[in-house]
Amino acid sequence: NAGVTQTPKFQVLKTGQSMTLQCAQDMNHNSMYWYRQDPGMGLRLIYYSASEGTTDKGEVPNGYNVSRLNKREFSLRLESAAPSQTSVYFCASTGSGSTQYFGPGTRLTVL
Amino acid sequence: DQQVKQNSPSLSVQEGRISILNCDYTNSMFDYFLWYKKYPAEGPTFLISISSIKDKNEDGRFTVFLNKSAKHLSLHIVPSQPGDSAVYFCAASRLATDKLIFGTGTRLQVFP
Repeated sequence: NAGVTQTPKFQVLKTGQSMTLQCAQDMNHNSMYWYRQDPGMGLRLIYYSASEGTTDKGEVPNGYNVSRLNKREFSLRLESAAPSQTSVYFCASTGSGSTQYFGPGTRLTVL
Repeated sequence: DQQVKQNSPSLSVQEGRISILNCDYTNSMFDYFLWYKKYPAEGPTFLISISSIKDKNEDGRFTVFLNKSAKHLSLHIVPSQPGDSAVYFCAASRLATDKLIFGTGTRLQVFP
């Protein structure tokens, strides 16, 4: 079992460019999440999906869109990247209960 | 308004001694609490949890204590080892929601 995988590991964008961060889990979990981690801010929830076909906003959704493609995959899209979106992005999933399992992260820099 | 607070950004402890990491929360509706450990360039990994019906949960060298009246939880690591050097996040949830609210993290350094 790979657990939660994320691609790419690193990405540099110019302001205004778009990109999609990919996440997949092989644990048959229903719920999936996207977080961003910034220095001194902890992990903040961007979007989450409680089940296939549903998505909901988290604490900091502005500037992002998500797609729950199927039970395994949950992608995060930046339509027009801004320097304020420079961060480390983590995907997570959970089955029953609240224990979430995290991917290795994507380090994004927007110039 | 930060609902989960870790007021100590860093902690330095000698190998073999006890490490105590603290976390406070403001929302009395939280009923499940977790600790995650994070090494650089890796994702957070689950360490230990506790539900609000308990006041203590132990797993090897790691013990979490919950004081509901004070809205405070702590993680004790005994004995501390250099491999424990990492950032530790506490998190809280309402079991019905599956969403976690994270603290800002405490960087633990265990020195020989």
